[in-house]
Amino acid sequence: ETGVTQSPTHLIKTRGQQVTLRCSSQSGHNTVSWYQQALGQGPQFIFQYYREEENGRGNFPPRFSGLQFPNYSSELNVNALELDDSALYLCASRRDGQETQYFGPGTRLLVL
Amino acid sequence: AQTVTQSQPEMSVQEAETVTLSCTYDTSESNYYLFWYKQPPSRQMILVIRQEAYKQQNATENRFSVNFQKAAKSFSLKISDSQLGDTAMYFCAFIWGGSQGNLIFGKGTKLSVKP
Repeated sequence: ETGVTQSPTHLIKTRGQQVTLRCSSQSGHNTVSWYQQALGQGPQFIFQYYREEENGRGNFPPRFSGLQFPNYSSELNVNALELDDSALYLCASRRDGQETQYFGPGTRLLVL
Repeated sequence: AQTVTQSQPEMSVQEAETVTLSCTYDTSESNYYLFWYKQPPSRQMILVIRQEAYKQQNATENRFSVNFQKAAKSFSLKISDSQLGDTAMYFCAFIWGGSQGNLIFGKGTKLSVKP
């Protein structure tokens, strides 16, 4: 158990819709990162939040956005869903000054 | 650009034997960290072992150990006394940049432990 939870576990959407995925980090973990893992691939970095501000972003378009809240929860929002957005979405959290990230179980998103 | 390469898409090993998974990486950074994560069919990404680049001593965690060759940019994982529960995808990952750093992953190696 990493103490990081995600909801929902599975989700089915249709192209063009919007989706919100949620993550709850361990208490004291002020940094949360989101990753997209396509089938058969390693995770790809989407963005990172530190104390409610985005402080790093990977090569993902602006329709991928996020929020982080003071209670160690966070959200990943994806607008105008495309078929290629079908993937496992992982969140990971870590303490200040530490490099080790602890992952949640992921949300499997299927876009039809 | 920073990259991580895992050249073995699939491997298998008999229970109780030893297996080594390979990983190479490319970076111009001098201060970074390397990780091996395990992802079983349950999808949870679990930390197996970590290595700080400034430490010459290879990290060990019970049956798991690494062979870190900084000059060669190589970071292999050795699993001793393999167990059925070790069956999973194994990802090598690399991070630099301190608190703003993000993980860069390889494509993974699928390890099957056979009884």
